[in-house]
Amino acid sequence: GNSVTQMEGPVTLSEEAFLTINCTYTATGYPSLFWYVQYPGEGLQLLLKATKADDKGSNKGFEATYRKETTSFHLEKGSVQVSDSAVYFCALSNWNTGNQFYFGTGTSLTVIP
Amino acid sequence: EAQVTQNPRYLITVTGKKLTVTCSQNMNHEYMSWYRQDPGLGLRQIYYSMNVEVTDKGDVPEGYKVSRKEKRNFPLILESPSPNQTSLYFCASSDSTGGTEAFFGQGTRLTVV
Repeated sequence: GNSVTQMEGPVTLSEEAFLTINCTYTATGYPSLFWYVQYPGEGLQLLLKATKADDKGSNKGFEATYRKETTSFHLEKGSVQVSDSAVYFCALSNWNTGNQFYFGTGTSLTVIP
Repeated sequence: EAQVTQNPRYLITVTGKKLTVTCSQNMNHEYMSWYRQDPGLGLRQIYYSMNVEVTDKGDVPEGYKVSRKEKRNFPLILESPSPNQTSLYFCASSDSTGGTEAFFGQGTRLTVV
């Protein structure tokens, strides 16, 4: 079946630190992979996505590369800011389930000045 | 503007009093779904719909009903709410085309006392 596993939180970093949030997936075929971000009190919004192997999604200084060989889609940012404090969800969608979405449990990030 | 609209944003109700949370999307998406978000458990899918008059159970459907009479609307019905249904609820919609993102509503915070 399809599933997503992401690293447990919470994660606390100082401003300008390097961020990595690990995400691995299980799926048949060629799923599309996503990172969503949820700011306090808001709904989820798309941060970045990748639709095929070796694609790199990027947005707002965040990056993630679709690695089929390791079934991973780790989120990285070189220098986090206080405004990056949020919950981050890794997700996949797969054609073999009508493009239904599967989400990880979310990783809470707090960036302190 | 492309959006998913949920109402109400906040609701406090008593055990056993039927309620409906509405969800509407303006993107002509085929796929719609409901999730609940609880601390430490991430997003769990309640029900989903792949098109009009087609609905199916997600991971945690007990105590909930849905209907999809029109493409744009996907209401969530709690016939007899209980305190364990206190949660943050999200509606989402997406196109059936692979690789496209899911759009989320702003959320409904439900408290059942």
